[in-house]
Amino acid sequence: GAGVSQSPSNKVTEKGKDVELRCDPISGHTALYWYRQRLGQGLEFLIYFQGNSAPDKSGLPSDRFSAERTGESVSTLTIQRTQQEDSAVYLCASSLASGVAQPQHFGDGTRLSIL
Amino acid sequence: AQSVAQPEDQVNVAEGNPLTVKCTYSVSGNPYLFWYVQYPNRGLQFLLKYITGDNLVKGSYGFEAEFNKSQTSFHLKKPSALVSDSALYFCAVGHSGGYNKLIFGAGTRLAVHP
Repeated sequence: GAGVSQSPSNKVTEKGKDVELRCDPISGHTALYWYRQRLGQGLEFLIYFQGNSAPDKSGLPSDRFSAERTGESVSTLTIQRTQQEDSAVYLCASSLASGVAQPQHFGDGTRLSIL
Repeated sequence: AQSVAQPEDQVNVAEGNPLTVKCTYSVSGNPYLFWYVQYPNRGLQFLLKYITGDNLVKGSYGFEAEFNKSQTSFHLKKPSALVSDSALYFCAVGHSGGYNKLIFGAGTRLAVHP
């Protein structure tokens, strides 16, 4: 079956521009996560959505970062006024239900490069 | 607070030899422990998890991990390494307190040499 799909796979943009990253979770997965992975480093939690509950935004690094999710479908992560330190791979994951016991299924990420 | 440590940046092993990738954790409450693998330019793939029950957990591709509560460890093992096992491995921890966030380790790069 279809896995988690992320687009674009690569994005190169100039400093100061806004970017929007998209994530299509696995159908039926109610939980959705965004992570940031800097080169050679581990995963940094950004934001978590669970159904219609208020999202957990505790990992967003600044107010330039925001994310939305419509119901249990597509999510978009928006970065405004991009900075060079925003360069990273942005990974999206979904899981079947709430609860940390459920394995997360990851997309292949969006590689963001800020010039 | 939750934390997880992978003390080795890289592990080198010869093909056919056993491999171990180390992970230790700190969490309040009962831990939920995961191993994921990441191949170049790909997302993470789930390998195995420990929630409760037997301390030895078997997962995908012949990998297994042993939960050791007294040592707060969850080391990943495989009896006979393959060159194709070369990848980046992440340990992650959550807990039974109901919060849904996993904390990931920094990753260990496994290199299996022919």
